[in-house]
Amino acid sequence: AQRVTQPEKLLSVFKGAPVELKCNYSYSGSPELFWYVQYSRQRLQLLLRHISRESIKGFTADLNKGETSFHLKKPFAQEEDSAMYYCALRGDYKLSFGAGTTVTVRA
Amino acid sequence: KAGVTQTPRYLIKTRGQQVTLSCSPISGHRSVSWYQQTPGQGLQFLFEYFSETQRNKGNFPGRFSGRQFSNSRSEMNVSTLELGDSALYLCASRLTGTTTGELFFGEGSRLTVL
Repeated sequence: AQRVTQPEKLLSVFKGAPVELKCNYSYSGSPELFWYVQYSRQRLQLLLRHISRESIKGFTADLNKGETSFHLKKPFAQEEDSAMYYCALRGDYKLSFGAGTTVTVRA
Repeated sequence: KAGVTQTPRYLIKTRGQQVTLSCSPISGHRSVSWYQQTPGQGLQFLFEYFSETQRNKGNFPGRFSGRQFSNSRSEMNVSTLELGDSALYLCASRLTGTTTGELFFGEGSRLTVL
């Protein structure tokens, strides 16, 4: 079985402050992990994937297999980062999503 | 390149009726997945199809079914609708063969059951 846990439903930060969204997973195989984002009135879209190890819009996420975590981080939050963020794990021909974290960046 | 297209975008049904939702994937994408999105349960996996074959199914009752056609277009059907089936149904397509597994989502079909 595969499971993704995002412990924070809501996260509010000030512009310019660091932001970290937590994600933990359980999966017996080799995980493929992603962060998806949904901005207001837009469709769900991929933000980044662990396999590419890249930074997108200033966000990074490191897969920690020992802690089974894939936390999303950005050192300086911007107002346009306000959105719903989903951590997702791909295995067994399906993508399992966490419950999501709503991020609000205040000026 | 056109994105994933879902029809209808909005629909209202009553309990006991059935509904069929349609999804056209991005051209060249052969895998289609369906998800149910609700405020309480978040995104729940329904099923994934590849080359007209269902590869996996989520924990939904048999009232939820789907199929994929030879042109990769997909439909999902919900029979004997219940109030709890009210949700946003998302379709996503994937370019099978890549290792990244990125899904491209449609805007969804919002179903309201009265």
